[in-house]
Amino acid sequence: EAGVAQSPRYKIIEKRQSVAFWCNPISGHATLYWYQQILGQGPKLLIQFQNNGVVDDSQLPKDRFSAERLKGVDSTLKIQPAKLEDSAVYLCASSLLPLGGNTIYFGEGSWLTVV
Amino acid sequence: TQLLEQSPQFLSIQEGENLTVYCNSSSVFSSLQWYRQEPGEGPVLLVTVVTGGEVKKLKRLTFQFGDARKDSSLHITAAQPGDTGLYLCAGDFQGAQKLVFGQGTRLTINP
Repeated sequence: EAGVAQSPRYKIIEKRQSVAFWCNPISGHATLYWYQQILGQGPKLLIQFQNNGVVDDSQLPKDRFSAERLKGVDSTLKIQPAKLEDSAVYLCASSLLPLGGNTIYFGEGSWLTVV
Repeated sequence: TQLLEQSPQFLSIQEGENLTVYCNSSSVFSSLQWYRQEPGEGPVLLVTVVTGGEVKKLKRLTFQFGDARKDSSLHITAAQPGDTGLYLCAGDFQGAQKLVFGQGTRLTINP
């Protein structure tokens, strides 16, 4: 079974530029998550989708971050304009159903450096 | 805000030693998960505990869930260099339907 796929793996941009990350979850997984992991910290949930609807985006900085999952499968996370403090690993994850003991599978992450 | 505190944040020990890392919160979990993350990779699930007082074993790793479901521990027996990594606990708080992660314990096992 293919895992959660993310691209690009690495991205370096200048502050105020924009960047987009793509995620393809495990086939059949209805729930998709984007986490931000700053170096030395645990992952922080940015947004959670159930199919193509948003379940939780309370920690998404909506003035600069946006995410969509138009057909309930792939998802993109965009940052515009980027700030230095956005340097982090952006982890996409998916699960068959939202939590309740369901296993969450993580991708390898997209590493963003803002200079 | 639901917070998970992990301790210690850093631990460096010699191969063959035993160790315990802790995960604590003031809130009650519906379930708690432990992950291991290696450099350049995403977290990988080790175990999920659901019932208060539950103990699960995974080879040399023993996971315990507190009776009140507010805390958990991970004990490693006879640590090996392959155990090196970032250990994360994550709680599914009652009614929240989302996973909140601790800051992690970075474990280094020296040969």
